This record gives sequence, C-alpha cells and structure tokens, in this order.
Amino acid sequence: GAGVSQTPSNKVTEKGKYVELRCDPISGHTALYWYRQSLGQGPEFLIYFQGTGAADDSGLPNDRFFAVRPEGSVSTLKIQRTERGDSAVYLCASSSGPQETQYFGPGTRLLVL
Amino acid sequence: AQSVAQPEDQVNVAEGNPLTVKCTYSVSGNPYLFWYVQYPNRGLQFLLKYITGDNLVKGSYGFEAEFNKSQTSFHLKKPSALVSDSALYFCAVSASGGSGTYKYIFGTGTRLKVLA
Repeated sequence: GAGVSQTPSNKVTEKGKYVELRCDPISGHTALYWYRQSLGQGPEFLIYFQGTGAADDSGLPNDRFFAVRPEGSVSTLKIQRTERGDSAVYLCASSSGPQETQYFGPGTRLLVL
Repeated sequence: AQSVAQPEDQVNVAEGNPLTVKCTYSVSGNPYLFWYVQYPNRGLQFLLKYITGDNLVKGSYGFEAEFNKSQTSFHLKKPSALVSDSALYFCAVSASGGSGTYKYIFGTGTRLKVLA
C-alpha cells in the first residue's frame, strides 16, 4: 500500500517568503507528526495531530510556524517570513495511534536563501 | 528529562563481521524504544521496536536489538554485516507529552560504514 508522501520534495525560497509543505499520511492513520531534521542531527519533534486537532505543538520553534489538518488526513506545515535558519529537512510521519510505530515520508528539503 | 544518547558518531565494521550500534535512554516509566535507518535522500525506515516482553527483539533485514533495563540500553545488532547496511541509524524513544500524547525523541544518529 501507499506510504506517507510529502510534497514538494525540494523547496528553495528567499528569506522573508511564505512556504507551505504538504503531507499525505497513510490512509486510516489518525496520528500525524511533523519533525525537522538539520544536517548532522536527529529529527526534532515539531507538532502532533490526533485527528484534526493539534494534540501537542510544543515543538514549534516560534509563531512563524503553523500546521493544520482540517479533515484529519492531509496536513500542511506553514512557515511565514522564512529565515535562513529554517533551512532543514521537514519530515512527516503517521501512525495508527498515539504510541504506535510511526512511518515516515521522504521529507521536504527546504532551503532559504 | 527524557533523552536518547547514541555515543558513537560513526561505526566501521568489515563485511561479514558482527555489528553493534549503541543506544542508551533516559525515560520515566516503561520505555517504548525504536530503531530507524536512513539512506541518503530517503526518509526514515522502521527497523524494529521494543514495547514489552522478550528483551531480544528481531526486526527487518536481519537486525535485532537487545533491551537491557538495568543499563538503560537498547543496542542494535546484526550477526553478519553487509556493505548495503551502510547508512545512518537512529534510536528513538516514545515519550509522553502529557494528556495522552506521545512523540519520538531521537538520538543524534550513528553512521554505519561496512567495508568490503
């Protein structure tokens, strides 16, 4: 079956611009997670959705970052006024429940110039 | 604070030899522990997990991991390494965020290089 997909695979933008990153989870998975992975580091948690609601957004670095999951399936991570420090790989994962195995997408590589 | 440590940035092993990638954790309560592998320009692929039961967990591609509660470790092992096992390996613990929420805390990763 289809795994987690993320679009775009790569995104280059200029400092100050707005970007949206999309995640399509595995069908039927109620839990969805966003992580950010910087070069040479492990993924860092950003936000967790259970259904349509953000159950835990404690990892969002500041109010420029926002994520939605309006119908409990596809999620969009939104970054306003991008900064060069936002450059990283953004990973999405989904699972069938809060403590079940998470399955990851291939990531979106964001480069802010 | 809940955390995961992978003390080795890189592990080199000759093809055919056994390999071990180390992981230690600090977590309150009973840990849920995971290993993932990441190939270049690819997402993380699940290898195996420990929730409860037998301390030796078997996973994909011939990998296994041993849970040791007294040493708070969850080392990844394989009896005979392949060149194709060369990749970046991450250990993770599922940590409670309160109110029934959970998130992974990852180690910094260990790069495994299997030499032909």
